[in-house]
Amino acid sequence: DSGVTQTPKHLITATGQRVTLRCSPRSGDLSVYWYQQSLDQGLQFLIQYYNGEERAKGNILERFSAQQFPDLHSELNLSSLELGDSALYFCASSATSGSYNEQFFGPGTRLTVL
Amino acid sequence: TQLLEQSPQFLSIQEGENLTVYCNSSSVFSSLQWYRQEPGEGPVLLVTVVTGGEVKKLKRLTFQFGDARKDSSLHITAAQTGDTGLYLCAGARSNSGYALNFGKGTSLLVTP
Repeated sequence: DSGVTQTPKHLITATGQRVTLRCSPRSGDLSVYWYQQSLDQGLQFLIQYYNGEERAKGNILERFSAQQFPDLHSELNLSSLELGDSALYFCASSATSGSYNEQFFGPGTRLTVL
Repeated sequence: TQLLEQSPQFLSIQEGENLTVYCNSSSVFSSLQWYRQEPGEGPVLLVTVVTGGEVKKLKRLTFQFGDARKDSSLHITAAQTGDTGLYLCAGARSNSGYALNFGKGTSLLVTP
């Protein structure tokens, strides 16, 4: 158990809908990262927050957004969903945002868009 | 664009054999991490290497970071069936907020 929690575990929805994925980092960790894992692309970085502020952006679509709240939990919002958004979404946390920070991953949310 | 290339993509060996997985890039990384992932679960951190030329040993696993900090390898001695899984290398760079760039992974199957 990494100490990072994610809900829900599974999510099934239809195209065009909007969903929210939730992540609670390890106790004391200030940095949260979101990743998407699909069969063809592997694990891809989406976005990072550090202590409530956006720190870095990766391959995140404009239909996707995220935020980190004062209690440090984070939410990833996916809207106007398409079939291709079906994937595993992981949250990771680390104590800092420096180069030597070690990231610990949650169990993931499996999103299926029908 | 995949910054990190892992090889081999698939590996099937028998218990007791040795193996090496490679992770290569043309980019320099501040640090490199190795993870193991089971189907449907999150990656589990095995090790972090930060210094060029660094070698770290965890029981039967030996990790090496290249001198130029562009490549890494994972060597497993006397593989066991419990080593079966997807091995991922991931590099962090300062120009991307130290977010991890992952390789596509090496899927290892160890049979009795």
